[in-house]
Amino acid sequence: AQSVTQLGSHVSVSEGALVLLRCNYSSSVPPYLFWYVQYPNQGLQLLLKYTSAATLVKGINGFEAEFKKSETSFHLTKPSAHMSDAAEYFCAVSAYAGGTSYGKLTFGQGTILTVHP
Amino acid sequence: KAGVTQTPRYLIKTRGQQVTLSCSPISGHRSVSWYQQTPGQGLQFLFEYFSETQRNKGNFPGRFSGRQFSNSRSEMNVSTLELGDSALYLCASSPTGNNQPQHFGDGTRLSIL
Repeated sequence: AQSVTQLGSHVSVSEGALVLLRCNYSSSVPPYLFWYVQYPNQGLQLLLKYTSAATLVKGINGFEAEFKKSETSFHLTKPSAHMSDAAEYFCAVSAYAGGTSYGKLTFGQGTILTVHP
Repeated sequence: KAGVTQTPRYLIKTRGQQVTLSCSPISGHRSVSWYQQTPGQGLQFLFEYFSETQRNKGNFPGRFSGRQFSNSRSEMNVSTLELGDSALYLCASSPTGNNQPQHFGDGTRLSIL
């Protein structure tokens, strides 16, 4: 079984400051990890994915994440926040292990990012 | 390439009614997954279809059902609606559904009165 924990349901930063959103996962098999962003009244947009190729993953809009197996973490960062980054962010895990995992992403509870001018 | 399209965007129903939601995946994607999103429970997996077959199902009552057509389009149905079924229902598609990124539609907002 897989699970995801996002530490901090709300994160507030100033424009231009570092963004750090935390994600820890649990998986009985090698995981595939994703970060998604959701703007109000929209679906989820893929920011980046980890699929075991490289531990540092770069995504869209200047975001990146580092997979750390020893810490079971996949934290999302961005060096300089922009007002347009204000949204809700979800970390998700997929770990193929047969029938019970087909097409299933397990999501964290989400972190709402607020960016102050 | 067109994205995932969900219709309708908004629905208002009353308790006891039934509802059908539609999802058209990205062209070439054969796996379609459905999720329920609520403020209290977050994003929860409903079920997944691939080549017209349900391969996986989450922990939802039998009132929630779905199907997939030969062109990969999918529908989900909720019967005997309850107030607690009010939620945003999201559809996502991927090529095969195995550890791949899923691409989401904008969802159907279902409100039960």
